[in-house]
Amino acid sequence: EDQVTQSPEALRLQEGESSSLNCSYTVSGLRGLFWYRQDPGKGPEFLFTLYSAGEEKEKERLKATLTKKESFLHITAPKPEDSATYLCAVQHLNDYKLSFGAGTTVTVRA
Amino acid sequence: GAVVSQHPSWVICKSGTSVKIECRSLDFQATTMFWYRQFPKQSLMLMATSNEGSKATYEQGVEKDKFLINHASLTLSTLTVTSAHPEDSSFYICSATRDGQPQHFGDGTRLSIL
Repeated sequence: EDQVTQSPEALRLQEGESSSLNCSYTVSGLRGLFWYRQDPGKGPEFLFTLYSAGEEKEKERLKATLTKKESFLHITAPKPEDSATYLCAVQHLNDYKLSFGAGTTVTVRA
Repeated sequence: GAVVSQHPSWVICKSGTSVKIECRSLDFQATTMFWYRQFPKQSLMLMATSNEGSKATYEQGVEKDKFLINHASLTLSTLTVTSAHPEDSSFYICSATRDGQPQHFGDGTRLSIL
């Protein structure tokens, strides 16, 4: 059975304090790994898709990387507006379903 | 980015009533839509996969007679929670995709059954 585990569960950062979120996964055939951002009471907002080990994607202060067993989301010099829950999901090779991790809730204090 | 609209955003109703939730992809034709359920501080759990013009595929443990899904067009899918009870209270979220592109999500519907 597919498993997606995110750590830490919660992360409190001072503005400007860089950090990384981890997503480890086991899946029988990976089509892609996705990162989403979810604000309270809202649906997830798409950030990145990674397809192969070694791939990296960047968007503003966020950078996602992928290995064969895990993915990292690096937040560089975060701002309060980066506060959100970040969700990792794996997509199966045989269909387009997503299996989500439980998320990491990031709080950035000014 | 792609826009997916979900309506209503919040509904409160009495136990035993049925509730319909709409999911529309506003700027692209979605070949597949998904319906998820999310409990507080938990992640999204896939309920069913909906393809235009065909019957929905439900995940194990999801009652298809309880959660009726209709995908009548490439831009609209509906989820009807039939004879809702308090245990059906949750945050329901839809997503839309086309040709294997990333799923784009609606803003969810908070359902409260009294």
